[in-house]
Amino acid sequence: LAKTTQPISMDSYEGQEVNITCSHNNIATNDYITWYQQFPSQGPRFIIQGYKTKVTNEVASLFIPADRKSSTLSLPRVSLSDTAVYYCLVGDVWSGNTGKLIFGQGTTLQVKP
Amino acid sequence: DAMVIQNPRYQVTQFGKPVTLSCSQTLNHNVMYWYQQKSSQAPKLLFHYYDKDFNNEADTPDNFQSRRPNTSFCFLDIRSPGLGDAAMYLCATSRVAGVIYEQYFGPGTRLTVT
Repeated sequence: LAKTTQPISMDSYEGQEVNITCSHNNIATNDYITWYQQFPSQGPRFIIQGYKTKVTNEVASLFIPADRKSSTLSLPRVSLSDTAVYYCLVGDVWSGNTGKLIFGQGTTLQVKP
Repeated sequence: DAMVIQNPRYQVTQFGKPVTLSCSQTLNHNVMYWYQQKSSQAPKLLFHYYDKDFNNEADTPDNFQSRRPNTSFCFLDIRSPGLGDAAMYLCATSRVAGVIYEQYFGPGTRLTVT
């Protein structure tokens, strides 16, 4: 499984857009990029997943360049409730694979008023 | 609502006294996972079941065992807890189908070893 590297922590203010970049230089052809969010004393929660280019859902956008060696999670107009740890994961999710997740260190996002 | 339930939410056990944590799901997912998460660390996969097939991670201590009697339930047994086993234990499920999958996590059981 590809190793990921993220900033350990980031600070932002309410209403700002936050971009968290993840590096995954050894990503394999079959690997997808997935982001999870974890609040204190809760289990992680799936945010978004993509393979290439751009993916957007009601929560976030995921930008993946053509070489796929990095990805950027974009959170529009963050609020205090977005304060959490954000994990970038890379793995093979093709049918038949049990989708083993290996969590990296994660990025602790602190949103300030 | 379909969900992943973990009981108890908080468990205190004594050093060396066996303890069992339970997980149930109403999602009818065929894969169930157990993770260990220590303070300020990322979740670490211990093992997972794909239906009845058990898959142990290479670095999971023998002290940790698991049982999955049916699709809905999965148990984590710690045979002789040590102080270093104090952690949050997370259960998760996923459905293996198609390209996109996500894991659904329970709220976790926080284990204290005295």
